[in-house]
Amino acid sequence: IVMTQTPLSLSVTPGQPASISCKSSQSLLHNDGKTYLYWYLQKPGQSPQLLIYEISTRFSGVPDRFSGSGSGTDFTLKISRVEADDVGVYYCMQATHLQTFGQGTKVEIK
Amino acid sequence: EVLLVESGGGLVQPGGSLRLSCAASGFTVDSNYMSWVRQAPGKGLEWVSLIYRDGNSYYADSVKGRFIISRDSSKNTVFLQMNSLKVEDTAVYYCVRRVEYWGQGTLVTVSS
Repeated sequence: IVMTQTPLSLSVTPGQPASISCKSSQSLLHNDGKTYLYWYLQKPGQSPQLLIYEISTRFSGVPDRFSGSGSGTDFTLKISRVEADDVGVYYCMQATHLQTFGQGTKVEIK
Repeated sequence: EVLLVESGGGLVQPGGSLRLSCAASGFTVDSNYMSWVRQAPGKGLEWVSLIYRDGNSYYADSVKGRFIISRDSSKNTVFLQMNSLKVEDTAVYYCVRRVEYWGQGTLVTVSS
């Protein structure tokens, strides 16, 4: 499965929203009825950290500024109001058919 | 607290071998599926291998036939045996519990 993210880079003014798209080459709906689509943020010099699991559920401690949506092959991560601490590279990842990552979207602050 | 500590990285010549270790604490490795993910310098994340609770293992096409994932329940550790290493295997290798917990990574450099 190929995961395609757009855009590959984003420059956002603090307090403004941001959105990242992730499209898969085939449906991520598993036979068990779940969709194993995840979003990560890798801050500079750190390991990736999980933000969203199974399309839309925020992981423990993740601010509600982050939200995920989508189904089938089209998914979106939205940040309602970008903060300085949100800079880094965002990755989508599917785990329905083994695992595949998107290319990453670099988010920086204007 | 879940903790994953990778070790075993280093400099190796093309064609050589390395064995990476991932020591886990706060959970048992045989009750979760475990993965290895790598990141080449300045590049994105690439899934490498995973081992399920039932012991079945899977590999990315880029490492199939060269890498072997395994675990030792008595040591609560997951391993990645890397053989016939290529320059393009140079990367930071991360150990991951399911999808949510990542180690700090260990750097593997393949160079002559």
